[in-house]
Amino acid sequence: GAGVSQSPSNKVTEKGKDVELRCDPISGHTALYWYRQSLGQGLEFLIYFQGNSAPDKSGLPSDRFSAERTGGSVSTLTIQRTQQEDSAVYLCASSLGLANHNEQFFGPGTRLTVL
Amino acid sequence: GEDVEQSLFLSVREGDSSVINCTYTDSSSTYLYWYKQEPGAGLQLLTYIFSNMDMKQDQRLTVLLNKKDKHLSLRIADTQTGDSAIYFCAESDANRDDKIIFGKGTRLHILP
Repeated sequence: GAGVSQSPSNKVTEKGKDVELRCDPISGHTALYWYRQSLGQGLEFLIYFQGNSAPDKSGLPSDRFSAERTGGSVSTLTIQRTQQEDSAVYLCASSLGLANHNEQFFGPGTRLTVL
Repeated sequence: GEDVEQSLFLSVREGDSSVINCTYTDSSSTYLYWYKQEPGAGLQLLTYIFSNMDMKQDQRLTVLLNKKDKHLSLRIADTQTGDSAIYFCAESDANRDDKIIFGKGTRLHILP
């Protein structure tokens, strides 16, 4: 595709359920980033991948959050046992490589609502 | 941790210039950015400036960086209704693995 795509665009779930958010980066982009945008807050960096590797997972808010990337392309962000404070828009971005981190292209985001 | 601050709202009349201001705390920022977010859309990188520059101009956009005061501004000349959006200031630091830290965004409202 022409840009970064994310699915689903909206997800409503009950507290305690697990959710999976998907990101398809721009073809050929080796670096992929996940951010969270909570209401009234700025963007919070969560994790980045260079290829399939995520060297630093310290940005993930808790051990209920995990992310993986396979084949150097699609990435999934998984939130286990969701809590109401997990409600946010989750944004994915990609860049040609980590050296091009200053030119990240963002997807439209997944709006997660935890009831 | 490092922080980026910007005012939350700005109203400007159509045709006037908009100036969105931002301050940051990181004294060793490498890049500073302005992103635009339109309703229902993802973030769009508008422009970025390397920290050793003090100005960058791109058509209607002018970015000014005062590194001493850690102050970044975005000027939009001849503001149009299509400029109505949230504008995020951000910075990254090579000493921090280039992770980008964002401000909370300034909502620009265009008055007729």
